[in-house]
Amino acid sequence: NAGVTQTPKFRVLKTGQSMTLLCAQDMNHEYMYWYRQDPGMGLRLIHYSVGEGTTAKGEVPDGYNVSRLKKQNFLLGLESAAPSQTSVYFCASSPQDIFITEAFFGQGTRLTVV
Amino acid sequence: GENVEQHPSTLSVQEGDSAVIKCTYSDSASNYFPWYKQELGKGPQLIIDIRSNVGEKKDQRIAVTLNKTAKHFSLHITETQPEDSAVYFCAASNYQLIWGAGTKLIIKP
Repeated sequence: NAGVTQTPKFRVLKTGQSMTLLCAQDMNHEYMYWYRQDPGMGLRLIHYSVGEGTTAKGEVPDGYNVSRLKKQNFLLGLESAAPSQTSVYFCASSPQDIFITEAFFGQGTRLTVV
Repeated sequence: GENVEQHPSTLSVQEGDSAVIKCTYSDSASNYFPWYKQELGKGPQLIIDIRSNVGEKKDQRIAVTLNKTAKHFSLHITETQPEDSAVYFCAASNYQLIWGAGTKLIIKP
C-alpha cells in the first residue's frame, strides 16, 4: 500500500538548471497538489489539479509548471532553478477538495539550488 | 485573504502531561479546520479535523475545540507519550486551505 510516492527524495541543482519532480498515487484520487515547505512557514500551495488533464495555479506558482497527463501522476517542473526555490516539496492527493477533506502526503523532496 | 497564526512555535512538556496548541484565523467564513502531524522526514498526516458546525471533537487522547466567535481553535493532547513528539500544523479553509507555521512539540522523558 504505497499511497503517495515522490521521486527523487533529495536533489542538488545549480542555478539555471531544470528538473522534474514526480508524484505518483495509487489511491485513485481525483485531486492532487504540490506544496513547498520553508522553515518557520506553513505549507504553501504551488499548483493543483482537480482531475486528469487539468491544472491550476495555487498561492506561489511563479517559476514552476505542472502536468497531469495520467490520473495517478502529477509532475512539477522547474525550468530554470533559482536559489529561492530551495525548499522541501510535498505532493498530496485527496478524494475530494483538500479544502473540505483529508489529504494524503508523500514523504517530500528536499531540493537545494546552489 | 485568510491568515492563520499558530502558537507556540515550540512546546516542551513532560511525558504524561497535557499539551495545548492554539491557532487563530482571520476569515470568519472559514468552515473546515484540520490538524496535521509531521514526523521527522515524513509528510504531514491528518490527525483530527473539525467543521464549523461543531464546537468540540475528541479522538482518544486528542481533542480539538473551536470558538467561532473568537475565531480560534485549539488542539489538546492528553497523557503525552514520546511518539507524540513531532511538528503539528493547524489549517483553516473557506475556499482555500491556509496553514499555520507549525508547532514543534517535544516530549521530555
